[in-house]
Amino acid sequence: QKEVEQNSGPLSVPEGAIASLNCTYSDRGSQSFFWYRQYSGKSPELIMFIYSNGDKEDGRFTAQLNKASQYVSLLIRDSQPSDSATYLCAATRGGGGADGLTFGKGTHLIIQP
Amino acid sequence: GAGVSQSPRYKVAKRGQDVALRCDPISGHVSLFWYQQALGQGPEFLTYFQNEAQLDKSGLPSDRFFAERPEGSVSTLKIQRTQQEDSAVYLCASSTLKGGADTQYFGPGTRLTVL
Repeated sequence: QKEVEQNSGPLSVPEGAIASLNCTYSDRGSQSFFWYRQYSGKSPELIMFIYSNGDKEDGRFTAQLNKASQYVSLLIRDSQPSDSATYLCAATRGGGGADGLTFGKGTHLIIQP
Repeated sequence: GAGVSQSPRYKVAKRGQDVALRCDPISGHVSLFWYQQALGQGPEFLTYFQNEAQLDKSGLPSDRFFAERPEGSVSTLKIQRTQQEDSAVYLCASSTLKGGADTQYFGPGTRLTVL
């Protein structure tokens, strides 16, 4: 059974602070990991993907992957109220183009002005 | 360019009715995926097409669910004899197949309510 676990929150972070979102996965065969942001009533939109151990930075976002611990995280620096959304972690055995994604339930993030 | 489109955006069905949900992927995208998202949950994988071939249907919850993509572009998800537990948002996603971490781009979804 492939599972991706996330704390559902809500996670409340003051504006300008760092938001830290965490995710664990059960399938050791997972190779690629994705963070999607989903606003209420909208569809998921990709924030970042990562498939190598370590950190990957893109603007205010940093994804971290530790395959030995089966752990993925997303850091959001200088949090803005517009970052308030549900963040979905997803894993797949392949590259994402030929495999269904296994999603967690999502973490609801609230950025307090 | 145009993104993934889905229709209808909202569908209300009486229990026992059949419904058909349409997905228009991004032009040229080889891969097409269907997901079901219940309220407060993450999307759950239903099925995957590569061009017109349905390569994975392991996530379809019952034989009442059927998907097709006959010409390798537009796809239809059909649910027969709808039940209340089928109420959810049905998301379609498409992707290239270049290898590496291909991104799945999601459509706006169809919200299905079964009364």
